[in-house]
Amino acid sequence: GDSVTQMEGPVTLSEEAFLTINCTYTATGYPSLFWYVQYPGEGLQLLLKATKADDKGSNKGFEATYRKETTSFHLEKGSVQVSDSAVYFCALNRDDKIIFGKGTRLHILP
Amino acid sequence: DVKVTQSSRYLVKRTGEKVFLECVQDMDHENMFWYRQDPGLGLRLIYFSYDVKMKEKGDIPEGYSVSREKKERFSLILESASTNQTSMYLCASSLSPGVETQYFGPGTRLLVL
Repeated sequence: GDSVTQMEGPVTLSEEAFLTINCTYTATGYPSLFWYVQYPGEGLQLLLKATKADDKGSNKGFEATYRKETTSFHLEKGSVQVSDSAVYFCALNRDDKIIFGKGTRLHILP
Repeated sequence: DVKVTQSSRYLVKRTGEKVFLECVQDMDHENMFWYRQDPGLGLRLIYFSYDVKMKEKGDIPEGYSVSREKKERFSLILESASTNQTSMYLCASSLSPGVETQYFGPGTRLLVL
């Protein structure tokens, strides 16, 4: 069945470092792809999404490009901040439901 | 802004108790969802609902039931709580089926002793 695989954490970076969190998916057809973020003590919130191949989603300095040929949707940010410390979930939609990856915990050190 | 609220942030119950987790959304969304979140397992869908009085099983419905008597309210019921149901429970809602953002509540951390 459809699934999402993302890199295991935790990922620890220094402030202003470049961030990549890898995400690949398995799906029939062409799902929409999402990144959700969960800050400490909160529920998930949508960070960005892309609905078709070659689309780029972006928000708050984060970007991800829908790559059909590599079935990937990697999350990137050029310069992370301490406030970016959170758990990041890659996800896809299938049959009106969302399938989430297991999450990647990100720690940013000042 | 969409707001999804959950009745409790923390809850402690004893094995065998019947537990009710309440979720309310204020944006007239059709769809509502209950997930549990566990370390190393991510989010797993328990039940969801597309409309009032409708419910569908998710991936892990065993030991749970749900109720949706009003559009804005979706309740998760643990009929007889067990220690393996200790978890973070997240409620979400979305406007319509398809490519739609889900909006999440803050979660209820349930401990079953």
